[in-house]
Amino acid sequence: AQTVTQSQPEMSVQEAETVTLSCTYDTSESDYYLFWYKQPPSRQMILVIRQEAYKQQNATENRFSVNFQKAAKSFSLKISDSQLGDAAMYFCAYRRGGGADGLTFGKGTHLIIQP
Amino acid sequence: DTAVSQTPKYLVTQMGNDKSIKCEQNLGHDTMYWYKQDSKKFLKIMFSYNNKELIINETVPNRFSPKSPDKAHLNLHINSLELGDSAVYFCASSQEQGIRAEAFFGQGTRLTVV
Repeated sequence: AQTVTQSQPEMSVQEAETVTLSCTYDTSESDYYLFWYKQPPSRQMILVIRQEAYKQQNATENRFSVNFQKAAKSFSLKISDSQLGDAAMYFCAYRRGGGADGLTFGKGTHLIIQP
Repeated sequence: DTAVSQTPKYLVTQMGNDKSIKCEQNLGHDTMYWYKQDSKKFLKIMFSYNNKELIINETVPNRFSPKSPDKAHLNLHINSLELGDSAVYFCASSQEQGIRAEAFFGQGTRLTVV
């Protein structure tokens, strides 16, 4: 079975600086997707970024980018120019390609932005 | 229009009661899910359902049952509620096939069993 590990329960960064959240996963599948979701205090789950395993190029969305190391099964999220609104829980998630077995989540990283 | 909506947003009930949480999606997705988020914020899938199969997480008690009247709805029924069922329950949907594989989530239902 696949597993997702986030080794940082909490991270703190100064506003306007850069922070990297770590995620590793374990799978025997070759076709899969990886995601980062953000959960602010409102508890809404918001997709931050998506990476298809077959793509070598790292995904980017404005200030958010990933470092996808397929061989190492690592999928870290970099947030540049951190803003107060980035404060939230961040969840790394895995989904097998095809099938309907849903997302496997890591335990989350609580990101604190220091003004 | 809200893409995935679930009701109610908050639910407080007594032990032993039976309750339902409703979920509807207007995205035309073919697969819907229920996730449970515990007090430590850990998210775990409970069910996934499309018109072909129902996949049940083996750790989910059989007091929990999904009911899908049609492709756009997946309701969660819970019988004989227990204190340990207190959690936030999220409904989600996604397209099983295709380029966009991410799940879209409802706003969550905070269930408190007293």
